[in-house]
Amino acid sequence: DVKVTQSSRYLVKRTGEKVFLECVQDMDHENMFWYRQDPGLGLRLIYFSYDVKMKEKGDIPEGYSVSREKKERFSLILESASTNQTSMYLCASRVQGQSGNTIYFGEGSWLTVV
Amino acid sequence: DAKTTQPNSMESNEEEPVHLPCNHSTISGTDYIHWYRQLPSQGPEYVIHGLTSNVNNRMASLAIAEDRKSSTLILHRATLRDAAVYYCILRDSGGSNYKLTFGKGTLLTVNP
Repeated sequence: DVKVTQSSRYLVKRTGEKVFLECVQDMDHENMFWYRQDPGLGLRLIYFSYDVKMKEKGDIPEGYSVSREKKERFSLILESASTNQTSMYLCASRVQGQSGNTIYFGEGSWLTVV
Repeated sequence: DAKTTQPNSMESNEEEPVHLPCNHSTISGTDYIHWYRQLPSQGPEYVIHGLTSNVNNRMASLAIAEDRKSSTLILHRATLRDAAVYYCILRDSGGSNYKLTFGKGTLLTVNP
């Protein structure tokens, strides 16, 4: 079974804290993605990485950074968490190059910033 | 990526067919049409995809208009477990091949 694993399912953090959301995939996929999902707004792309150490901004990168030191791991970092970053965060991965390839998602991480 | 338009919500009865529409009038010749769905409190999961021809799999069928400017996801017999948000997205096989953009999707409610 293919697997995208997000390290934390539920987190509560304080405003100003540094937050790490970890994502690991076991499918040797080149492309990895971080989205956030909010009611009424659908999935919004934060950052993506098309290969190790490569990253590009998505549609809403402000307040976030990412790290991809190894192929299987893609981390989302909130340098200084704010309440408007309370959301559900989804990691995804995909084989590079072919548009017919399936995207695999993790189960999501629910982050509450208080 | 080209934009897709879906109804915000649809309702169906259990055991009846469901047709979920998606408009993509600016689709390019190299765009694949993908459908994903998201059950409550879970990440999205793949349903089906196609390029030009209609496609069938164990979950659903995908009907693609001849001009490719619209498509329809067909659930042949809706069950309560099909209640989810359904996303239609386009994947460009060239250019910026990496970015994946989802819209708001269609919330499908299935009545018992």
